[in-house]
Amino acid sequence: AQTVTQSQPEMSVQEAETVTLSCTYDTSENNYYLFWYKQPPSRQMILVIRQEAYKQQNATENRFSVNFQKAAKSFSLKISDSQLGDTAMYFCAFMKGQGAQKLVFGQGTRLTINP
Amino acid sequence: DGGITQSPKYLFRKEGQNVTLSCEQNLNHDAMYWYRQDPGQGLRLIYYSQIVNDFQKGDIAEGYSVSREKKESFPLTVTSAQKNPTAFYLCASSVTGTGGADYGYTFGSGTRLTVV
Repeated sequence: AQTVTQSQPEMSVQEAETVTLSCTYDTSENNYYLFWYKQPPSRQMILVIRQEAYKQQNATENRFSVNFQKAAKSFSLKISDSQLGDTAMYFCAFMKGQGAQKLVFGQGTRLTINP
Repeated sequence: DGGITQSPKYLFRKEGQNVTLSCEQNLNHDAMYWYRQDPGQGLRLIYYSQIVNDFQKGDIAEGYSVSREKKESFPLTVTSAQKNPTAFYLCASSVTGTGGADYGYTFGSGTRLTVV
């Protein structure tokens, strides 16, 4: 079974700083996808970024980028020029490339951006 | 606009009662999912369905039941057998095939269930 681990329960940075959230996963699959979801205080889950395991290039979406290290099974999220609206829970998630597309989530990291 | 509607937003259950959480989507997605969210544990999969009239147990199905009689609807019943039902419940949907990985899930806004 796949597992996803987020070792930072809480993080806090000042507005405009850069912050990196860590995520490691365990799988024997070779074809899979990784995601970062954001859950603001409204509790609505929002997809931030996704990465396909067979792509070596790290995904980027505006201020959000990932550092995908397949051999190390690491998938960290970097938020540049952080904004107050980035305050949220962030979840790392794994999906197998074949079969039922169940998302397996990490425990989450609560990120606070301070003014 | 297309989306997922969960109702009610807040639900209170007495000990020994069954309660049903509603999840409706108008996205024409084949797959639907129920997750439970507890503090410090992330989201855990309860049940999922990839097609009408078919569903599978997730990691924590005990004490829960579902049905999938219509493509648009995937209600979750929390039975009296669920010993610790107080949690936040999220419903999600996705396309099947590579689309599920391409676009991820669309989530509802959740139901907060409290046992009183």
